[in-house]
Amino acid sequence: NAGVTQTPKFQVLKTGQSMTLQCAQDMNHNSMYWYRQDPGMGLRLIYYSASEGTTDKGEVPNGYNVSRLNKREFSLRLESAAPSQTSVYFCATSTANTEAFFGQGTRLTVV
Amino acid sequence: GESVGLHLPTLSVQEGDNSIINCAYSNSASDYFIWYKQESGKGPQFIIDIRSNMDKRQGQRVTVLLNKTVKHLSLQIAATQPGDSAVYFCAETRSGTYKYIFGTGTRLKVLA
Repeated sequence: NAGVTQTPKFQVLKTGQSMTLQCAQDMNHNSMYWYRQDPGMGLRLIYYSASEGTTDKGEVPNGYNVSRLNKREFSLRLESAAPSQTSVYFCATSTANTEAFFGQGTRLTVV
Repeated sequence: GESVGLHLPTLSVQEGDNSIINCAYSNSASDYFIWYKQESGKGPQFIIDIRSNMDKRQGQRVTVLLNKTVKHLSLQIAATQPGDSAVYFCAETRSGTYKYIFGTGTRLKVLA
């Protein structure tokens, strides 16, 4: 039982490159989330998917797109990476009105 | 691990003492609150939660207090241990919104 698995764990991109962060869960949760975490700041919601087939913007969606591929998988895409997107990215899952469970994070550096 | 939370408020406590970490939440309509612990290089881990129909909940060595009048949440850790050193976040959410709002976090340092 792996819980929430994120890949890759580390990534360095050049400005303008694209990449997709992958997240998979085996908890059978309906809701999935992508957050970013910057030094000195809390977790900020990028996008979320309340259930399979739906996605919605969070507080910082600009520069990102998401795909809820199926109930298990929720990916985050950076089409043209910018240094401001250097951050630690966390995927999380939850069922209705319970705590969110987090992956181990993807540490992304854009140079 | 990476330097998450370089400028976070820091609480330093002596090993064996009790720790109290505070959080002011933002939305008076929030009805579910969670405390998370985040160790360096790891994702946040659930510690304890409380719903708005309660004002206190206890776990193993941890207690969460909720004061809805002033929108304040606190986490009390009894007999603080070196393994408690981490960054602690509170989170709030409202039923049906699917969104969790996180506080900026407090770094807890346990002194030997």
